[in-house]
Amino acid sequence: GENVEQHPSTLSVQEGDSAVIKCTYSDSASNYFPWYKQELGKGPQLIIDIRSNVGEKKDQRIAVTLNKTAKHFSLHITETQPEDSAVYFCAASKGGGYQKVTFGTGTKLQVIP
Amino acid sequence: NAGVTQTPKFRILKIGQSMTLQCTQDMNHNYMYWYRQDPGMGLKLIYYSVGAGITDKGEVPNGYNVSRSTTEDFPLRLELAAPSQTSVYFCASSPGTEAFFGQGTRLTVV
Repeated sequence: GENVEQHPSTLSVQEGDSAVIKCTYSDSASNYFPWYKQELGKGPQLIIDIRSNVGEKKDQRIAVTLNKTAKHFSLHITETQPEDSAVYFCAASKGGGYQKVTFGTGTKLQVIP
Repeated sequence: NAGVTQTPKFRILKIGQSMTLQCTQDMNHNYMYWYRQDPGMGLKLIYYSVGAGITDKGEVPNGYNVSRSTTEDFPLRLELAAPSQTSVYFCASSPGTEAFFGQGTRLTVV
């Protein structure tokens, strides 16, 4: 089955700096890669996703890049703000949408004011 | 819309007891999922359903059962609670694209 590895497990940045979280996946058939943000005491919430026919996608201060050849994808957050502090999960699935996704182990991001 | 609603939010069970975690969604999504989240770990899929009357096992189904008699409801049953089932449980629904998660149920088995 699919295996998703995520690094780092914790990340501290100063407010205004950029944060990068990296994930690798094992199944070359995976074609849908969502990123979820989980705030304390809440369920995960989708923040951005990318499909395998696209190399990069941006939404305001967040962007995701995908390298299919190397089987890795990354989340980039620019101009970080304290409200970006949360746990971020990457995931991968086949079928082009959210069916049986496999999650990474999460990155706890702390933005220091 | 309420989205995905899970009850209860917290529960303490004794070893060997049984309970049902409730999940309901009002978005008419076909896909529904149950995950468990252990500290420092990602979400592990327990069971999922692609529509009313259809369920299938995920990565970690042992010790759990589900049913899907309606589109809206997807309860998760623990028959003989064990300490290894102490976790936070999340229900999610999806129309096939993004998933929407409930707030979670924190379960402790003592």
